[in-house]
Amino acid sequence: DTGVSQNPRHKITKRGQNVTFRCDPISEHNRLYWYRQTLGQGPEFLTYFQNEAQLEKSRLLSDRFSAERPKGSFSTLEIQRTEQGDSAMYLCASSLIQGAAPDTQYFGPGTRLTVL
Amino acid sequence: GNSVTQMEGPVTLSEEAFLTINCTYTATGYPSLFWYVQYPGEGLQLLLKATKADDKGSNKGFEATYRKETTSFHLEKGSVQVSDSAVYFCALSLRGGSNYKLTFGKGTLLTVNP
Repeated sequence: DTGVSQNPRHKITKRGQNVTFRCDPISEHNRLYWYRQTLGQGPEFLTYFQNEAQLEKSRLLSDRFSAERPKGSFSTLEIQRTEQGDSAMYLCASSLIQGAAPDTQYFGPGTRLTVL
Repeated sequence: GNSVTQMEGPVTLSEEAFLTINCTYTATGYPSLFWYVQYPGEGLQLLLKATKADDKGSNKGFEATYRKETTSFHLEKGSVQVSDSAVYFCALSLRGGSNYKLTFGKGTLLTVNP
């Protein structure tokens, strides 16, 4: 069990550019969540997948944001036409919906995005 | 809606001091309650959880008791160490719902001095 991994760990981009982040969940975990954390705040829910199906999106997820989990394993989060307000830490978490603790999520180290 | 309120930080303590970080919540259903810890430069780690009223979660000397009557889940530790310096987040997810998404408080920065 290698835990949840995220790449890249840091991304600096210029306003208007597109960026893509990757999350690799714990193997056999069927749920995958994305959260955004801005400075001095707690993480806020963005979206989640069960297997390859995206089941819920927060109103925080504007149409410039898109997330995929094509084979039910890794996931990508893309931000198009980045804005300075997108600067944040993007966190991925995974969980196993079956079993004794479906409510327990395991987090990756996050991708810190800075938009100049 | 659902929300979590944590005591404002930062909290600065000397080593071996007693720690309390207050957390209260509002929820539209019956929540599970969590404390997560974030060390500098790292992601969130689950510290402890409780899933029903009067349950006590505990881990690494930290404890928190699920108090339904006061809608609280305060974090305590009897003797803190320098290595406990981190940001602590209280969170909830609704049991019985299908998404289990977490709602977090704003976090409390703890600094422990030797």
